[in-house]
Amino acid sequence: AQTVTQSQPEMSVQEAETVTLSCTYDTSESDYYLFWYKQPPSRQMILVIRQEAYKQQNATENRFSVNFQKAAKSFSLKISDSQLGDAAMYFCAYRRRGGGSNYKLTFGKGTLLTVNP
Amino acid sequence: DGGITQSPKYLFRKEGQNVTLSCEQNLNHDAMYWYRQDPGQGLRLIYYSQIVNDFQKGDIAEGYSVSREKKESFPLTVTSAQKNPTAFYLCASSIDPYNTEAFFGQGTRLTVV
Repeated sequence: AQTVTQSQPEMSVQEAETVTLSCTYDTSESDYYLFWYKQPPSRQMILVIRQEAYKQQNATENRFSVNFQKAAKSFSLKISDSQLGDAAMYFCAYRRRGGGSNYKLTFGKGTLLTVNP
Repeated sequence: DGGITQSPKYLFRKEGQNVTLSCEQNLNHDAMYWYRQDPGQGLRLIYYSQIVNDFQKGDIAEGYSVSREKKESFPLTVTSAQKNPTAFYLCASSIDPYNTEAFFGQGTRLTVV
């Protein structure tokens, strides 16, 4: 079974600084997707960034970027120029490629990010 | 505006009672999902539905039931058989089971009193 591990229960960063959130996963599959979701105090899950395993290039979305190391099964999220609105719980998630029984997102336990003014 | 609406936002249930959580979407998505979130835990899948009149158990389906009679609606019933129902419940949908992006509702907080 696939597992996702986030080893940092909490992180903090100063406004305008850079922070990196860690995620490792375990799978025997070669083709899959990885995600970072943000859950602000409103508790609605918001997709931050997505990485396809067959793509070597790291995904980037504005101030958010990932460091995807497939061999090491590592998928970290870097937030640059941190803003107060970035404060949230961040979840790393995994999904096998395809439909049917591959539907399921497997989530880590989350990292609570605090942004200090 | 298109989106997923969950209601109510807060729900209280007495022990031994069944309760139904509502999830409605107007995104014309085929696939819908129910997740449970507990403190210090990630989300865990309860049930999913790939298409109308079809649904499958997820990892923690015991004590829950669902229906999918309409494309827009995927209600979740928490039965008295669920021993620890107090949790935050999130509904999600995607265009189809093959589409990677899932859109989430704002959740329902269920408390057993």
